[in-house]
Amino acid sequence: DVKVTQSSRYLVKRTGEKVFLECVQDMDHENMFWYRQDPGLGLRLIYFSYDVKMKEKGDIPEGYSVSREKKERFSLILESASTNQTSMYLCASSFYNEAFFGQGTRLTVV
Amino acid sequence: AQTVTQSQPEMSVQEAETVTLSCTYDTSESDYYLFWYKQPPSRQMILVIRQEAYKQQNATENRFSVNFQKAAKSFSLKISDSQLGDAAMYFCAYRSYDNYGQNFVFGPGTRLSVLP
Repeated sequence: DVKVTQSSRYLVKRTGEKVFLECVQDMDHENMFWYRQDPGLGLRLIYFSYDVKMKEKGDIPEGYSVSREKKERFSLILESASTNQTSMYLCASSFYNEAFFGQGTRLTVV
Repeated sequence: AQTVTQSQPEMSVQEAETVTLSCTYDTSESDYYLFWYKQPPSRQMILVIRQEAYKQQNATENRFSVNFQKAAKSFSLKISDSQLGDAAMYFCAYRSYDNYGQNFVFGPGTRLSVLP
């Protein structure tokens, strides 16, 4: 079974902190994604990566950056956390015709 | 850019009955994939069913089937013999056929409740 693992299930951070969300996949997938999930808005793409060190902005990249130094790991970075970044964050990896998701990180910024 | 619309924010169904969730999408491409994903309270997104646009036959997975109308850009999910475990958020999603550098585009979701 494909496994996508996110480092934290719940996270509480203070405004202004630098926050790292880590995601690891074990199936050698080239494509990895970070989505943000908010009620009524579905999943919105923040960034995705189709290869090591390659990244593409999604629909809502402002306030976020990413890092992919190794194929299996894709990190989402909140440079200076703000309360409007309180949300559910979902990582996914894919190969062609299916996306596999992590269990999600519910981030609260206070 | 592709968009996916789900016009039903919430639906409910009686246990053992049938329910249909709607999805429409917009694209100028001819080859693509369409998906229905389920997100139960555990938050783990699970693939329910997948349809390749070049296949005319509607996909079926046990109690789940789709009605794919390519010309109308419509992709509805039918759940037969609904079970309590079907209660979840359901997301319709689109992906271009070309794997390279293509992301999945999701709709806003439909919350399905199953009544005992």
